Amino acid sequence: AQSVTQLDSQVPVFEEAPVELRCNYSSSVSVYLFWYVQYPNQGLQLLLKYLSGSTLVKGINGFEAEFNKSQTSFHLRKPSVHISDTAEYFCAVSGAGGGNKLTFGTGTQLKVEL
Amino acid sequence: EPEVTQTPSHQVTQMGQEVILRCVPISNHLYFYWYRQILGQKVEFLVSFYNNEISEKSEIFDDQFSVERPDGSNFTLKIRSTKLEDSAMYFCASSELNYGYTFGSGTRLTVV
Repeated sequence: AQSVTQLDSQVPVFEEAPVELRCNYSSSVSVYLFWYVQYPNQGLQLLLKYLSGSTLVKGINGFEAEFNKSQTSFHLRKPSVHISDTAEYFCAVSGAGGGNKLTFGTGTQLKVEL
Repeated sequence: EPEVTQTPSHQVTQMGQEVILRCVPISNHLYFYWYRQILGQKVEFLVSFYNNEISEKSEIFDDQFSVERPDGSNFTLKIRSTKLEDSAMYFCASSELNYGYTFGSGTRLTVV
């Protein structure tokens, strides 16, 4: 079984500042890792995913994440945020391979202020 | 780009009634899932479905719930005797053999 911890429930940041949203996972098997974004009253949009290969993963909207196996982390970063990045961000993990369920973290509310 | 389609987008039902949430997964996907998100909370796994049977289910997915793939395209979640605490956003997803998770836009279920 896998679990995900997102320690920061809310992250306020000023526009054009960098941001890092933290995600740690626990698993006894190899994993796939994901970040999803959810805008108010909308569905889940995939930002990026790590399946294998390079540990630095680039996604949509200028986001990137780095898989760190030794620290069991998959932190999400963006060098310069915009007001439009205000949303809930969910980290998720699954066992590697097809057909495995996703286990989500509790989410981090990113609030970008002027 | 292929999409997972969910209908209806919003359903209101009276407590004790049965509801059926419908999903059309991506046509060449092999695995199908239902997830639930209670307002303000995290997304929770309910059930996965492969080769016309349940492959995994969570402790939430008790006898009140059932899933079905009645034809080659639809995937449904039935909730019997709905309770107030069943109010949530329900997401359908499908995936390819190795990976390819795609979520639908969700059905907001409100039990009154």
